[in-house]
Amino acid sequence: EDQVTQSPEALRLQEGESSSLNCSYTVSGLRGLFWYRQDPGKGPEFLFTLYSAGEEKEKERLKATLTKKESFLHITAPKPEDSATYLCAVVGTYKYIFGTGTRLKVLA
Amino acid sequence: DVKVTQSSRYLVKRTGEKVFLECVQDMDHENMFWYRQDPGLGLRLIYFSYDVKMKEKGDIPEGYSVSREKKERFSLILESASTNQTSMYLCAGRQSPSETQYFGPGTRLLVL
Repeated sequence: EDQVTQSPEALRLQEGESSSLNCSYTVSGLRGLFWYRQDPGKGPEFLFTLYSAGEEKEKERLKATLTKKESFLHITAPKPEDSATYLCAVVGTYKYIFGTGTRLKVLA
Repeated sequence: DVKVTQSSRYLVKRTGEKVFLECVQDMDHENMFWYRQDPGLGLRLIYFSYDVKMKEKGDIPEGYSVSREKKERFSLILESASTNQTSMYLCAGRQSPSETQYFGPGTRLLVL
C-alpha cells in the first residue's frame, strides 16, 4: 500500500538553528515527490518537485533531497517567517499521497 | 503565475442545507481535485476529475458529489450538509500525474 510518513510531527527551533524534516515513503513506481508549505488557514504552497534518487533542489534557506526511500527538507539558519506546516506528497500511479505534515515553529 | 481560486474563504451553513463549493483554475489543467483537511488526519481526497464531464471517487466520497461541465471549473456539492462535514476544503489542479499540483486558498466550512 502506498504510504507517506513525516517526522517529526512538530519541531521547535531557535532562529539560526539548522535542522531537517523527514519524509519516508512507500510507493510503487514513484512519479514524483513534492514538498509544500502551508500557513494556518491557507492552501498549501508549492516548494519543490523531486523525481529521482540523488536529486536536490534549493530555494533560499530550504534544500530538498531524495533517496529511494525518503526525502529530507533541510532548513539552514531558519527565521521566524519559516514557521509553517511542511507537507510531503508522492504520486505513484495517479493520486497524490500526502503525509500529515511537520509543524515547524522558529523562535526569535 | 498559476492561479486556483475558490468561491468562498468562509462559509457557515445549517444541517440539511445543500452546499456548493466552486473552484476555478486558469492554468488549462486537465486534472482537478477536491480534498478536505482535518487536524491529525491530513489531506484526504474526496473526488477528482481527469477531464471535462469525467469524475472519479477518491478516498472519502460519501455525502459529496461533484460537477465538471467546463475544463476550468470543478464544483463540490454537499447534498445535505452534516456537522461532520465541518472542515477545510481545498481544491487543486495539475496538468498530468507527474506534474505539480497547485492548490487554491481553501474554504473553511462550518456546519451548525
